[in-house]
Amino acid sequence: DADVTQTPRNRITKTGKRIMLECSQTKGHDRMYWYRQDPGLGLRLIYYSFDVKDINKGEISDGYSVSRQAQAKFSLSLESAIPNQTALYFCATSSSLTSGTYNEQFFGPGTRLTVL
Amino acid sequence: DQQVKQNSPSLSVQEGRISILNCDYTNSMFDYFLWYKKYPAEGPTFLISISSIKDKNEDGRFTVFLNKSAKHLSLHIVPSQPGDSAVYFCAASATYGQNFVFGPGTRLSVLP
Repeated sequence: DADVTQTPRNRITKTGKRIMLECSQTKGHDRMYWYRQDPGLGLRLIYYSFDVKDINKGEISDGYSVSRQAQAKFSLSLESAIPNQTALYFCATSSSLTSGTYNEQFFGPGTRLTVL
Repeated sequence: DQQVKQNSPSLSVQEGRISILNCDYTNSMFDYFLWYKKYPAEGPTFLISISSIKDKNEDGRFTVFLNKSAKHLSLHIVPSQPGDSAVYFCAASATYGQNFVFGPGTRLSVLP
C-alpha cells in the first residue's frame, strides 16, 4: 500500500471551476507539502505545513489555498482554475528534523491537472 | 531566476558505463543537497544526499560530489544500468534540510 496517496490522479476541468486535490499519508509524518511540476522548471513549492495548525506559503502560492484537516491529510484548492495552472501536482511528507539527520521528503504519485 | 540549475535536460549513456549528472546553484547559503529520481507516473524518490561539511558521499553505485567554491555538485552512477533510466532532480536547502529548491531535472537514458 502506498504511504502517500493523492486523489484524483488525473483531472480535466474548465477555466473558472473550483478544484480540490487531496493528499493522505500513513507515514505518521508531521510535515506536508504541495509542489507543482512544469516542464523545464522542476518542482516548485506551493504551500507547506509543519503541523496541523501551521500553514505557510511557498514560492508560488498565488491562486491556491490549502487546508490541513488532520495530521494525515493536506488538501490543495484552486478556487478559480486558470489554464496556466495546468501542471503535475505532487504532495510530499517529511518528519521533523532531528539532530544529525536529513529531512527526506516522501512524494505521492502525483495528480495531472488540465485546465481548459 | 533559477537558484538550482541542471543545464543538461537529457543524457544518454551505454549500460555499464559511468553516468555523470551535474547541478549548479547560485545561493551560497545552501548547505544541504539531495538527489531524487523520478520514474514516469510516479512521484520522486530520494536517492542520495550530501551536506556542505562533506565533499563526497557514496552509496553503492551512486556517489555525489560537492564543490562548494564552484557551487557545483555532481551525481555519478557506476556502472549504469537500464533501470537507472529516469529523471534526476537536484535539490538544495539553506536551512539544513528544511524547504528545498529543486532543479529542472535531467532525463537519463541508459542504453542496453
